[in-house]
Amino acid sequence: DGGITQSPKYLFRKEGQNVTLSCEQNLNHDAMYWYRQDPGQGLRLIYYSQIVNDFQKGDIAEGYSVSREKKESFPLTVTSAQKNPTAFYLCASTLGFGYTFGSGTRLTVV
Amino acid sequence: SQQGEEDPQALSIQEGENATMNCSYKTSINNLQWYRQNSGRGLVHLILIRSNEREKHSGRLRVTLDTSKKSSSLLITASRAADTASYFCATDGVSGNTPLVFGKGTRLSVIA
Repeated sequence: DGGITQSPKYLFRKEGQNVTLSCEQNLNHDAMYWYRQDPGQGLRLIYYSQIVNDFQKGDIAEGYSVSREKKESFPLTVTSAQKNPTAFYLCASTLGFGYTFGSGTRLTVV
Repeated sequence: SQQGEEDPQALSIQEGENATMNCSYKTSINNLQWYRQNSGRGLVHLILIRSNEREKHSGRLRVTLDTSKKSSSLLITASRAADTASYFCATDGVSGNTPLVFGKGTRLSVIA
């Protein structure tokens, strides 16, 4: 079945540690996105990529980094520079209209 | 920036009643989309309405769009307990290829 897989489902980060969230899709979608969701809030755009080897910053890119070396994969690294990383992270992809979302990674700072 | 703003923030209804959620946005759009999110899960695309359309139906869903008022509404008819979720509107920009901007959502509770 085609879809987007995010892993891990839960992730715990210590202060000062970098962590990487995985996002893989087998939908052959060109564009991929990372959004952050805080409790009771909407989604805020972190980074997006419309083609391989190219990506753009979203509204809240500070403290995050991404790569797009393969069409299927768009990993997000939460760096130690991100001071408040505890949130629910959602990856999405599209061919042009409706987005397909993964089931999310919940990141908690311990 | 969050362009879409849903209203109400929360809505509680009895099973079988209709649920109406509203969305307002600020700038011109190509299309407006509605998504559903069950607690702790990813979003699921429900329906897309283009800027030149006024109304669209999909099963028990009816979406309207008023570009002069920059607003949209989502109506769920004959609601079921399984419709309990958060509902988000999302807008793109007129230039195309711009990422969707999501509102904060309406939390719908359908009581059996």
